[in-house]
Formats: sequence, structure tokens, C-alpha cells
Amino acid sequence: KQEVTQIPAALSVPEGENLVLNCSFTDSAIYNLQWFRQDPGKGLTSLLLIQSSQREQTSGRLNASLDKSSGRSTLYIAASQPGDSATYLCAVLTIIGANNLFFGTGTRLTVIP
Amino acid sequence: EPEVTQTPSHQVTQMGQEVILRCVPISNHLYFYWYRQILGQKVEFLVSFYNNEISEKSEIFDDQFSVERPDGSNFTLKIRSTKLEDSAMYFCASSEGDSWGYTFGSGTRLTVV
Repeated sequence: KQEVTQIPAALSVPEGENLVLNCSFTDSAIYNLQWFRQDPGKGLTSLLLIQSSQREQTSGRLNASLDKSSGRSTLYIAASQPGDSATYLCAVLTIIGANNLFFGTGTRLTVIP
Repeated sequence: EPEVTQTPSHQVTQMGQEVILRCVPISNHLYFYWYRQILGQKVEFLVSFYNNEISEKSEIFDDQFSVERPDGSNFTLKIRSTKLEDSAMYFCASSEGDSWGYTFGSGTRLTVV
């Protein structure tokens, strides 16, 4: 069964810093990997989708990379802002049991003004 | 941008009562899903639905749960006799294809008392 791990569990940084969130997964047979943002008590907002054939995706200040063979992804946030404070979730769509998106436990990010 | 819409946003019910959670997926999407997140835990898969039938379900999705697409736009999750441990945030999601990215709704917080 796919296991998704996110490190660190929580991160606090001053405004303006660049930061990296990590995600690892045990089964490299995936269709894609998605990064989501979740504000407290709210829904899941998709940030970036990386297909298994891709190495990275960028959207604004966000850049996500994927190394499928080693089972790792990173989410890079440039010039962090207080509005970036949220929990960031990584999820992988496995090929076996394709209708099952496996989530990590998330990294709770706090950006201090 | 197209959205997945969920209603209600919050529902409180007594143990043993039936609840129906409602979702309107994105109109051109073909695959529909329910996930749940117990407070402080991972987002976990419940069921996927395609072509008017369940395509996959998790061990959580027992006989107390059912899904239905009663018309061309709605997708519902019914819990027949709620238990305290059913208290969670329930997310509906949809996707264009079974290996595409998912779009999630804002969730229904179910509280069983």
C-alpha cells in the first residue's frame, strides 16, 4: 500500500524567506502527484499537478519537482508571505488502484510578518 | 474557474440518524469521489464512481454508506445510521479522467452527537 510522508510536520519562517516542503512516497508506480493547500477547517485547493512523465511544474511563486524513481517531490515557495500560512498536502495517484489518491499528513506552514 | 460545490457546509446529526451529503461536480468531469478527513488525521479515500456505478471503495465504505448520482448534476453520499466515529470533514472531488488531477469541494463538516 502506498505510504506518503511529509517532512517537516510544521514549519515557521519569517516573511520573505524561500522555503522547501518535502514529500516522499513508497510506490513509484504513479500517474501523477498533486500539491494542495488547506486552510484551517476548509477545503483542499489544488496548487500544482505534476504528471509522472514531468520533472517539475511552476505557478507563480510556487515550483514543484518530482523524482519518481526515488519517490520524492518538493514544493518550493519563493518570497513567502503571511497569506501563504496554511497546511500543504501532497497526494499521489497510484497506478494500482487508480481511483485512489493517497495523501500525506501535511506540513503546517506559518509565515511570520 | 469551475468548482465542485458541496452542501451543507456543516451538519450536526444525532447518532443513528441518516444523513445525505450533496455535491455538484464539475460539469464535464466523468469521475467522482468521496474522501473524508477525521480531525488531525490524513485525508482518506472512501469511494470512486464512474459511469453510474462504484468503481472502487475502501474498507471504510461499508454497508452503512451509499452513493448515488440521482440526476445529471448531483452526486450524493448517504450514511444510513450515523455513528460518533463518522464525525469528520467529507470532501467530494471530480476529475476528467481516471489519471487526471482531482478538483475538490470545500467540504461538509459532519458532527455526530
